[in-house]
Amino acid sequence: EVQLVESGGGLVQPGGSLRLSCAASGFIFSRNWMDWVRQAPGKGLEWVANIKEDGSEKYYVDSVKGRFTISRDNAKNSVYLEMNNLRAEDTAIYYCSRILDDWGQGTLVTVSS
Amino acid sequence: DVQMTQSPSSLPASVGDRVTITCRASQGIRNDLGWCRQKPGKAPERLIYGASILLSGVPSRFSGSGSGTEFTLTISSLQPEDFATYYCLQYNSYPRTFGQGTKVEIK
Repeated sequence: EVQLVESGGGLVQPGGSLRLSCAASGFIFSRNWMDWVRQAPGKGLEWVANIKEDGSEKYYVDSVKGRFTISRDNAKNSVYLEMNNLRAEDTAIYYCSRILDDWGQGTLVTVSS
Repeated sequence: DVQMTQSPSSLPASVGDRVTITCRASQGIRNDLGWCRQKPGKAPERLIYGASILLSGVPSRFSGSGSGTEFTLTISSLQPEDFATYYCLQYNSYPRTFGQGTKVEIK
């Protein structure tokens, strides 16, 4: 059974940083692209970023380019999202996903002073 | 960016109803289209990929069709667990984009 468990969310001030983690199990992690998707309170889904199996390709939505960095550690079956210079509009539940087929339960990031 | 437009935004329905949701892409995306269901307070779950292929374990009452710019999701007989919000998503190009969602609610 595929399991994706996110962690690292919390309350952070505008301009601050957070690092989200996603621990994966139940599939061959090193053979799958991984995605991050977010959902602002009461809003729809927004794709944020993804990373190729070996980490050689990464893609981002424009609104986070230069501020967020996706990475992975295949030895630890984990994918990460480093978020810097956070803004109020980054407030959302952040979901980790295996090629948008399997999803974690999400971790809440709140950016507020 | 490819814009995905879903209709309707809200869909009142009853258990047993046949419901159809439409998704239009602003440019051709072949059949690189998926559908997700999100129950209240829960994570999304993918139902369909490749416009019409059901993921393992997805009930056969769900079906998808379309190619290019016009796609539909049909639920042949609505069940209580299907009252949820549905999203289409395209993975033909970057950034991946979702439709704005269709909330299927109790009539």
